[in-house]
Amino acid sequence: EPEVTQTPSHQVTQMGQEVILRCVPISNHLYFYWYRQILGQKVEFLVSFYNNEISEKSEIFDDQFSVERPDGSNFTLKIRSTKLEDSAMYFCASRNRETTDTQYFGPGTRLTVL
Amino acid sequence: AQTVTQSQPEMSVQEAETVTLSCTYDTSESDYYLFWYKQPPSRQMILVIRQEAYKQQNATENRFSVNFQKAAKSFSLKISDSQLGDAAMYFCAYRRSGNQFYFGTGTSLTVIP
Repeated sequence: EPEVTQTPSHQVTQMGQEVILRCVPISNHLYFYWYRQILGQKVEFLVSFYNNEISEKSEIFDDQFSVERPDGSNFTLKIRSTKLEDSAMYFCASRNRETTDTQYFGPGTRLTVL
Repeated sequence: AQTVTQSQPEMSVQEAETVTLSCTYDTSESDYYLFWYKQPPSRQMILVIRQEAYKQQNATENRFSVNFQKAAKSFSLKISDSQLGDAAMYFCAYRRSGNQFYFGTGTSLTVIP
């Protein structure tokens, strides 16, 4: 069964550094999402992406964040200058047009900012 | 604002018994969707069950069923005949029209052999 994959599983970085989190959505899916979960807190929506542009974003998704689909398979989340409070688990999700309300999640990338 | 509350951070159940996980939500919308997702240790979240708010009938998927009380804004998950593989973190989620999902903080379910 196809799955959403994410790399790396754990990323450690210094405050102020740029990080890129990578996701490979399910191949025939058209809608892509990023969520984050700070330890002990709720899973929070960051951004949705469709047709090569952001379709919706939350207040968390400020100018430090950007998303890109650089090729036909990858979907990336970039944090330009990481802050301590960016430490969290980041989940990618995707869905296709038919399963309009079912998102398929990746296993997550744990980001630790030191 | 839409919020989802799971008041049980941890639950446990004996194998083969039944357990109910609670979820309440707050919304002013009349049309929305509710979900339960399961996250096994070190694995991705997978959909367990979904419910459209306009449907009065409670959704059922094999051993999983929901008790959807729209007026009370309650959406509990019942797991019957619990199995060891049901051990996981369970997240309740809400989605209105649009893309944003709102998740609860999760309930960690332990299944005791």
